Amino acid sequence: DQQVKQNSPSLSVQEGRISILNCDYTNSMFDYFLWYKKYPAEGPTFLISISSIKDKNEDGRFTVFLNKSAKHLSLHIVPSQPGDSAVYFCAAMIGYSGAGSYQLTFGKGTKLSVIP
Amino acid sequence: EPEVTQTPSHQVTQMGQEVILRCVPISNHLYFYWYRQILGQKVEFLVSFYNNEISEKSEIFDDQFSVERPDGSNFTLKIRSTKLEDSAMYFCASSEVLRTSGGTQYFGPGTRLLVL
Repeated sequence: DQQVKQNSPSLSVQEGRISILNCDYTNSMFDYFLWYKKYPAEGPTFLISISSIKDKNEDGRFTVFLNKSAKHLSLHIVPSQPGDSAVYFCAAMIGYSGAGSYQLTFGKGTKLSVIP
Repeated sequence: EPEVTQTPSHQVTQMGQEVILRCVPISNHLYFYWYRQILGQKVEFLVSFYNNEISEKSEIFDDQFSVERPDGSNFTLKIRSTKLEDSAMYFCASSEVLRTSGGTQYFGPGTRLLVL
């Protein structure tokens, strides 16, 4: 049961261009969404999050957009840098409102390669 | 910057043996979690822990698994009788009080468990 889906297993982008990573979810109870970056043999590193009461959150080069009606979120990285090359995981939880589950449900990840 | 630490980084064990994976969460965090990632698969939730008791567990977290916070700083995951299919990367995570931060979970580097 894939409640969080990242349909693109990989993405290649030229350095300096925009990287757009997409994530879809099926559970309308999810109210908090996070993006993590992961290098091989390391743990997921938190990047940015967004609650369901917002549609955009920005932090430096990273912006997350949430479209609740489409159950879709995306992570934009501008400009992309070679050091951004990693696997990016979308994750969702029910719990921001104070009730429900605090477990994170992860997507399968998208491997981003930024080409110099 | 505070971080979650985990020991050991690698553990090799024989099927049927007990293993204990250790984690030191971020010091002011109150919620603790274990996740695992089988090679090539998603990161999966195992258990969450708050106020010295399990808050939630997944169906993966059966009677062979247990968690403990023995001394106020360490958070451990015990697998009583390991099976081949327990081979995975195990990640510990911690988070602050959920309502103030949305529940962003910070992950440790992981312990790679190999059951032979």
